[in-house]
Amino acid sequence: AQTVTQSQPEMSVQEAETVTLSCTYDTSESDYYLFWYKQPPSRQMILVIRQEAYKQQNATENRFSVNFQKAAKSFSLKISDSQLGDAAMYFCAYRAGNNRKLIWGLGTSLAVNP
Amino acid sequence: DTGVSQDPRHKITKRGQNVTFRCDPISEHNRLYWYRQTLGQGPEFLTYFQNEAQLEKSRLLSDRFSAERPKGSFSTLEIQRTEQGDSAMYLCASSPSIGITYEQYFGPGTRLTVT
Repeated sequence: AQTVTQSQPEMSVQEAETVTLSCTYDTSESDYYLFWYKQPPSRQMILVIRQEAYKQQNATENRFSVNFQKAAKSFSLKISDSQLGDAAMYFCAYRAGNNRKLIWGLGTSLAVNP
Repeated sequence: DTGVSQDPRHKITKRGQNVTFRCDPISEHNRLYWYRQTLGQGPEFLTYFQNEAQLEKSRLLSDRFSAERPKGSFSTLEIQRTEQGDSAMYLCASSPSIGITYEQYFGPGTRLTVT
């Protein structure tokens, strides 16, 4: 069975600094997708960044980038120039290529200190 | 552009009562998903529709849970004889039928409290 593990329940970062959130996953599939979602307090889940497993190049979206290590089954999220609005729960999620459902980690609560 | 909407946003009910939640997906999306999120946990998949067909159900979806998507538009999730363990946030998401990643767009959720 596929699993997603986020080993950091809480993280904090100073405004304008860089922080990295960790995620590991387990799968025997070769075709899959990985996602980072952000859930601000009392607000809805929004997609931050996605990575297709067949792509070797790490995905980047503005201040957000990933370090995708396929052999190690690791998918970390780097947030550069952290802003107060980045404070939220961050969830790592996995989807097998032939499936539609997302499998989620437990989340990392990120605090951004001014 | 209207996103995914869910109604109600909050529901408090007494144990043993039935509740029904509604989800309206983004209009051009033909896939619709329900997830449940308990406090301090990540979401857990409940069920998935493609148009009006319910294609997958989690074992979490006991006999007390039923979901429908008549005419492939909005969806309802009903919980019969609610239990305190049903207290959670119920999330709905939709995705388009094109695009390889089938990105899922989430609604604000319905928070259920069973007393």
